[in-house]
Amino acid sequence: RKEVEQDPGPFNVPEGATVAFNCTYSNSASQSFFWYRQDCRKEPKLLMSVYSSGNEDGRFTAQLNRASQYISLLIRDSKLSDSATYLCVVNYHTGRRALTFGSGTRLQVQP
Amino acid sequence: DGGITQSPKYLFRKEGQNVTLSCEQNLNHDAMYWYRQDPGQGLRLIYYSQIVNDFQKGDIAEGYSVSREKKESFPLTVTSAQKNPTAFYLCASSIDPTGAGELFFGEGSRLTVL
Repeated sequence: RKEVEQDPGPFNVPEGATVAFNCTYSNSASQSFFWYRQDCRKEPKLLMSVYSSGNEDGRFTAQLNRASQYISLLIRDSKLSDSATYLCVVNYHTGRRALTFGSGTRLQVQP
Repeated sequence: DGGITQSPKYLFRKEGQNVTLSCEQNLNHDAMYWYRQDPGQGLRLIYYSQIVNDFQKGDIAEGYSVSREKKESFPLTVTSAQKNPTAFYLCASSIDPTGAGELFFGEGSRLTVL
């Protein structure tokens, strides 16, 4: 099983749609969770951290389910500019001081 | 402006040559990281450093070497021992030395082996 697993997509959705991505992680001791956004041929940038109680930032909502070991990202009212790859990031290894990245889910928002 | 600067952005190398990628940060972060990204894949950790004069191997350290002589600088050398070096290389830093905090990335260096 992969350490951090995501559906690669692509998710093709019309403008204004709501879309959700899930990510599963296999180390129950993981403590920090993030969603990063990466545009084509660019560096990743932090979209949002994921907190135990769930958190929202405008049209974006992130949730954590520790019991099932997955995190989710919900995007409401999709914009063309949301087209990108969304990377799930976890501090997977408790003995290693670095973050582990999923392979990413590609989103294409269409007019 | 504070940030991370990677150079060069594009680099071509002949097989058998070593090449060094530069990474400089002025964020005063203690922790620095090198990741590699192949097309359609996520980032894989090559090396990381929490403090000057100390660094640890990541998942794919074979064929790479690093140094951390200054807080601001964390260069990566891709040696001829790296069998498939063509990739996008990303340097990052974090204010959190535990490895659980937000990463700030440079714009990356794209290496192609001819």
